[in-house]
Amino acid sequence: GENVEQHPSTLSVQEGDSAVIKCTYSDSASNYFPWYKQELGKGPQLIIDIRSNVGEKKDQRIAVTLNKTAKHFSLHITETQPEDSAVYFCAANAGGTSYGKLTFGQGTILTVHP
Amino acid sequence: EAQVTQNPRYLITVTGKKLTVTCSQNMNHEYMSWYRQDPGLGLRQIYYSMNVEVTDKGDVPEGYKVSRKEKRNFPLILESPSPNQTSLYFCASSRTSGVPGELFFGEGSRLTVL
Repeated sequence: GENVEQHPSTLSVQEGDSAVIKCTYSDSASNYFPWYKQELGKGPQLIIDIRSNVGEKKDQRIAVTLNKTAKHFSLHITETQPEDSAVYFCAANAGGTSYGKLTFGQGTILTVHP
Repeated sequence: EAQVTQNPRYLITVTGKKLTVTCSQNMNHEYMSWYRQDPGLGLRQIYYSMNVEVTDKGDVPEGYKVSRKEKRNFPLILESPSPNQTSLYFCASSRTSGVPGELFFGEGSRLTVL
C-alpha cells in the first residue's frame, strides 16, 4: 500500500521567515496530494491540495510543489506569522481501484516565534 | 451550519466492553472516513465509505467495524476494545465519491480503554 513519509517532525522559525515541509510517497499511481493544518484541540483543515497534472500551486503565502518523477511534494509557507503555528500533515491517495484510500504523513509541528 | 458531528467527544471504557462512536454529517457528502491519531504516527485511516452500503478498509482496520446504511451517518464500532485502541479518533466527509476532495473533519473523539 501507499507509504507517506514527512519531514521534519518539528520545525521552528522566526516570524517572517519561510518554512518548508517535505513529503515522499511510494505509490506511483497516486494523483491527489492535499495538505492539512491542525490547530490545538481541533480537527485538521485543508489548506491546499494539488493533483498530479500540475507541478505547482499557490494560494497567497502558501505553495505546494509536486515532483512526480521523484515522488515527492513540498509545502512552502512564506512570511510566516505566529498564527501559522500548528501541526501540518501531508497526504496522498492510493492508486488504482483504492483511490478513496488517503494516507497521511506523520505530521510536522511548526512553531513560529514572534 | 455545515458540520461533521461525532459523539461521544470523550470516553473512558474498559477492555471488552463494546462501544460505538457515532458520526453524522449534514452536507450530503458521498464520502466518509474514520481516522485515528496517535503521537508520532500521524493520522491513520481505519475505514472509508465511497457511498451508501459501500465500505472499504483503510490502513488499520483490525478491531473495528463500520456501516453506512444512510448517507449522513457512519458509525465506528469497537466490538471488544483493547488498550491499544486508546487514541484520538476523527470522522471526516467529502463531497466527491471519486478521488477524495476536501475532507471536513469532526472535532474528534478521545477514547481511553483501560
